[in-house]
Amino acid sequence: AQSVTQLDSHVSVSEGTPVLLRCNYSSSYSPSLFWYVQHPNKGLQLLLKYTSAATLVKGINGFEAEFKKSETSFHLTKPSAHMSDAAEYFCVVSFSSNTGKLIFGQGTTLQVKP
Amino acid sequence: DVKVTQSSRYLVKRTGEKVFLECVQDMDHENMFWYRQDPGLGLRLIYFSYDVKMKEKGDIPEGYSVSREKKERFSLILESASTNQTSMYLCASSLWTGDGYTFGSGTRLTVV
Repeated sequence: AQSVTQLDSHVSVSEGTPVLLRCNYSSSYSPSLFWYVQHPNKGLQLLLKYTSAATLVKGINGFEAEFKKSETSFHLTKPSAHMSDAAEYFCVVSFSSNTGKLIFGQGTTLQVKP
Repeated sequence: DVKVTQSSRYLVKRTGEKVFLECVQDMDHENMFWYRQDPGLGLRLIYFSYDVKMKEKGDIPEGYSVSREKKERFSLILESASTNQTSMYLCASSLWTGDGYTFGSGTRLTVV
């Protein structure tokens, strides 16, 4: 079965330290992969996407993610956290370019401490 | 930039009312989606549409219907609102899957 798992429901970091949000997927197909961010009471905003081009993907606000096929992972990183990064982050996968449907992870809440 | 506009930010309705949630996108996207988001349950797909007058059930369609009379507009209808439909409702659109979705800001619906 096709699925996506975010390994941490909550991550807490200090401002200025690195961020790592982990995501694994399960599929026998080549996926398209996305990370979205949601600030409180707002809609979801696309951070970055992987669609079978370069395996290291750069997104907005200094975030990047690396697609590792052998590990079926797509972890999100940022070298230095900012207070404004505090939000919920969703790893999202599409396993078929024809259906238009995405599968969402359960989300990881990022807390950034001063 | 693509914009997806949801007509209401906050909505309070009474049990049994018929409720319409409107969503409009301005970039000629083929695909449109309605999700609900609840704490601990994540995002769940209610209905989606690939074309005008076309609709497909998502994972939790019970108690909902949709309408897509024009390409840019996708309406979610709660036929008879119930308290368990209190939730955040998110509309999204996409040109094709590889582009990901563009989301609206959401409608927080409270049914009392």
